[in-house]
Amino acid sequence: GAVVSQHPSWVICKSGTSVKIECRSLDFQATTMFWYRQFPKQSLMLMATSNEGSKATYEQGVEKDKFLINHASLTLSTLTVTSAHPEDSSFYICSARGTLDNEQFFGPGTRLTVL
Amino acid sequence: ILNVEQSPQSLHVQEGDSTNFTCSFPSSNFYALHWYRWETAKSPEALFVMTLNGDEKKKGRISATLNTKEGYSYLYIKGSQPEDSATYLCAFINDYKLSFGAGTTVTVRA
Repeated sequence: GAVVSQHPSWVICKSGTSVKIECRSLDFQATTMFWYRQFPKQSLMLMATSNEGSKATYEQGVEKDKFLINHASLTLSTLTVTSAHPEDSSFYICSARGTLDNEQFFGPGTRLTVL
Repeated sequence: ILNVEQSPQSLHVQEGDSTNFTCSFPSSNFYALHWYRWETAKSPEALFVMTLNGDEKKKGRISATLNTKEGYSYLYIKGSQPEDSATYLCAFINDYKLSFGAGTTVTVRA
């Protein structure tokens, strides 16, 4: 149980385009999902906390207009990187909070490359 | 941003040998520490959630200890096998958010 999927697993796009990444909890309902970003050789850095039916809470330094998060249902959260630029190239990974407060189950991540 | 450090960044171990590595974290306002195992192209997999000072948890050949007063945790792998090759992440819980270390990448040589 507690499987989280992420789609796509990798994407290459041109500078200026927008890219949508989906995060789904497959066998449980997740009222809270988290989005992280990882640059090479660095830690997973929390970008935002996504709550079903409400606005996401962004971490300091993360532009909410740049990284649009929608959590329309208990099993789906989406991250849209708008007007992507090469510096947005990174590894993006989501997690979903389970029934126990401390549990987070992760998706496999999405590698974004912006040309 | 909480400072969570993992050491070493990477290590190589011969099959059958045992190894260990550390995670250091802020010792004040401790709530919980998580360990994850992350294989390439897969999702990070939860290994342990540690909450009490002196905690020791075990899962097969992998175990972890916790010292909240001095702010460190050790992860041990006994009798390493090639399938133990992965990046091991620790994460400190603060305000229901996880602050991660950069991970220790373990490569087990057959």
